Amino acid sequence: DTGVSQDPRHKITKRGQNVTFRCDPISEHNRLYWYRQTLGQGPEFLTYFQNEAQLEKSRLLSDRFSAERPKGSFSTLEIQRTEQGDSAMYLCASSLAGTGHGYTFGSGTRLTVV
Amino acid sequence: AQSVTQLGSHVSVSEGALVLLRCNYSSSVPPYLFWYVQYPNQGLQLLLKYTSAATLVKGINGFEAEFKKSETSFHLTKPSAHMSDAAEYFCAVSDQGGSEKLVFGKGMKLTVNP
Repeated sequence: DTGVSQDPRHKITKRGQNVTFRCDPISEHNRLYWYRQTLGQGPEFLTYFQNEAQLEKSRLLSDRFSAERPKGSFSTLEIQRTEQGDSAMYLCASSLAGTGHGYTFGSGTRLTVV
Repeated sequence: AQSVTQLGSHVSVSEGALVLLRCNYSSSVPPYLFWYVQYPNQGLQLLLKYTSAATLVKGINGFEAEFKKSETSFHLTKPSAHMSDAAEYFCAVSDQGGSEKLVFGKGMKLTVNP
């Protein structure tokens, strides 16, 4: 068990470019969550998957955001036409549904849009 | 809807002093409650969790929290602060048996003075 891995750790991009982040969860975890954290705030829920199915999306997730979890393993989060307001830490977490054990978080991807 | 209130954003204690971080929650369903710690530029690490078993929960690094339903509180304490406890602490609530998405408070930055 190597924990939850996120790649890249840091990303600097120009406004208007597309970016994609990857998350590799703990292999036996069937749920995968994406959160966004801005400076001075707690993380905010974006979306989650159970296996390969995306079961819920937050209103924070505009049309420019898309997430996938093909085959119920790793997940990607893509942001199209980035804006300066997208600058944040993007956190991925995984869990085993129904156990109440809580999540294991990755170290996050820090996005800076210039 | 669920919510978490962490009043204030910063607390400072002396090394060896009591640490008390307050958390009040609102939930229309029986909640799970969590405390997470975040070190700079890192993801979140689970300190402890309440999942409707014992109301006094012990976690890692000497922290504990008590669930008080009548006060809708889940305050985090540690009898004696250590310099390594300096970090940001987040309280979070989730539903039981549903999406289990976490709703976080805004966090509390703990400074430990020598």
